[in-house]
Amino acid sequence: DIQMTQSPSTLSASVGDGVTITCRASQTISSWLAWYQQKPGKAPKLLIYKASTLESGVPSRFSGSGSGTEFTLTIRSLQPDDSATYYCQHYNNYPYTFGQGTKLEIK
Amino acid sequence: QVQLVQSGAEVKKPGASVKVSCKASGYTFTSYYMYWVRQAPKQGLEWLGAINPGGVNTYYAQNFQGRLTMTRDTSTSTVYMELSSLRSEDTAVYFCARDGGDYASYFEYWGQGTLVTVSS
Repeated sequence: DIQMTQSPSTLSASVGDGVTITCRASQTISSWLAWYQQKPGKAPKLLIYKASTLESGVPSRFSGSGSGTEFTLTIRSLQPDDSATYYCQHYNNYPYTFGQGTKLEIK
Repeated sequence: QVQLVQSGAEVKKPGASVKVSCKASGYTFTSYYMYWVRQAPKQGLEWLGAINPGGVNTYYAQNFQGRLTMTRDTSTSTVYMELSSLRSEDTAVYFCARDGGDYASYFEYWGQGTLVTVSS
């Protein structure tokens, strides 16, 4: 199975700041990577797929990059509503494993 | 619009089985793979398995082989996840999800989640 490792596990930043979350795959997954945002008590929400394609309706402050084994999610100009846990997930082959999550706190 | 509506919360005793449903609407049911994911309290997301559009082929995460069964009923546009031999560690919210279509296996739509509590 492909292991996905996210860093950091927690992150604290202020409104207006920018942050970057990293996701590493234990083997190459080309660009078959998605990012999700999850708020407490809710289902995850798709933000980005194919490593860098923004899902319809997601603010352009969110962006993704990378290929192979190293990927990043960048959020510019943080808003209070960005407080959530973010997960990466590969969909290269079964099982489609998730990273352990990054909890983002907005100060 | 696409909707995935799951069945309600369940409380089960250790050793029992649970069957969670996920009713789809707003799209052609037989054109998309469906998946199940779970999340234990205060934990991350765990991928459980997949079922193909026709309901013939399934793939289960190794940890659940022999305990997990996914089925789909095309007449009612519903997918089912049944987990047997329940233990306390199976207490979690279970989500169904639909992918984005051909060569788009990310999870574009999610159900609202079903809490399964395993307790004696």
